[in-house]
Amino acid sequence: DAGITQSPRHKVTETGTPVTLRCHQTENHRYMYWYRQDPGHGLRLIHYSYGVKDTDKGEVSDGYSVSRSKTEDFLLTLESATSSQTSVYFCAISEGDGGVVEKLFFGSGTQLSVL
Amino acid sequence: GQNIDQPTEMTATEGAIVQINCTYQTSGFNGLFWYQQHAGEAPTFLSYNVLDGLEEKGRFSSFLSRSKGYSYLLLKELQMKDSASYLCAVKDYGQNFVFGPGTRLSVLP
Repeated sequence: DAGITQSPRHKVTETGTPVTLRCHQTENHRYMYWYRQDPGHGLRLIHYSYGVKDTDKGEVSDGYSVSRSKTEDFLLTLESATSSQTSVYFCAISEGDGGVVEKLFFGSGTQLSVL
Repeated sequence: GQNIDQPTEMTATEGAIVQINCTYQTSGFNGLFWYQQHAGEAPTFLSYNVLDGLEEKGRFSSFLSRSKGYSYLLLKELQMKDSASYLCAVKDYGQNFVFGPGTRLSVLP
């Protein structure tokens, strides 16, 4: 399962409150990602990280920030949650097969509801 | 721009063969990936293609034509447990993976 743990698994919060989701990996992978998944849109990249303190924006980064102070942890923060951020959030790592291609492996996901 | 298209839904019968198509237009290409996702679960990796042609893995095969921006996933000897969404994704440049909307496959007895 590539050693990825997401917490919490479920979260209900109110509009305007800050929320932090955590992704923890145990296998020292360099690249980590945060995606959100919504009906009709598929998986969309929010932010990704290519090392400690090295992050970059994805397609839907507005309203989100990330931090990676340790290789194993990648945090996603919603500074002030809005109802449009109700979604399922997946953390992923990329892992190679010894060749050229690296594949994504996903955590179990976090269902976030913003009321 | 980035655009990946797949049929929204498909239905097939247990024991049959089904082909799920994916067309893409992306700013770069470093591989095409297929993932399976059961309802309420995380996507799981199925297969990938980097070069043109067919890759076979048991009951699942994936085909790629880079010149046509086209791929398909072929599922043989369908089983009820194959009922799931199938996601097509392109790794366009660097570490950026772009996903299609997914195809929901229902396998009927």
